Amino acid sequence: NAGVTQTPKFQVLKTGQSMTLQCAQDMNHEYMSWYRQDPGMGLRLIHYSVGAGITDQGEVPNGYNVSRSTTEDFPLRLLSAAPSQTSVYFCASSKLAGRTYEQYFGPGTRLTVT
Amino acid sequence: DAKTTQPPSMDCAEGRAANLPCNHSTISGNEYVYWYRQIHSQGPQYIIHGLKNNETNEMASLIITEDRKSSTLILPHATLRDTAVYYCIVRAITSGTYKYIFGTGTRLKVLA
Repeated sequence: NAGVTQTPKFQVLKTGQSMTLQCAQDMNHEYMSWYRQDPGMGLRLIHYSVGAGITDQGEVPNGYNVSRSTTEDFPLRLLSAAPSQTSVYFCASSKLAGRTYEQYFGPGTRLTVT
Repeated sequence: DAKTTQPPSMDCAEGRAANLPCNHSTISGNEYVYWYRQIHSQGPQYIIHGLKNNETNEMASLIITEDRKSSTLILPHATLRDTAVYYCIVRAITSGTYKYIFGTGTRLKVLA
């Protein structure tokens, strides 16, 4: 299993540009989520999904959209990039069966908005 | 959602036990306590979780107080590779779905 994969690893955007961060998992996990981590800070939840077709907002959803058309993929869209969105973005997945399973994290995407 | 409070940083001598405390005084009866760690800027890594009994696995032990208002993660023989930020998380349940709220964690430095 590849686990959780994220692309790209690095990205530089100009203010106002849009882009999609990709996240995929091959573990048949129902739960997927996106976090952002600013320098020296903990992780903050952006959006999450408990299955295909179901998404919900986390702590900091503004400026981001998500969709979940398949179990495997959970892309994060930045609608109009702003310098405040400069951060490292982590995708994670887990099972929901038994509701005690740990999350598996991807390697992260480092985004800089100029 | 239950919040957690952790000391911002701790040092531990290599080979000694590292005891990382976490306060979660508002935890609900059906909420689990999870511990993760983040080495440098990698994605966080799961360590252990528990509900009310003490737990042990190959990485660490988790001690939860009887009133469940606090817990301690124990790394029995810390090594330099255990230098990381350790996060204590209470798994929140909202409207039948589940989400994880991370705090700022404890930065553990293992000293040679």
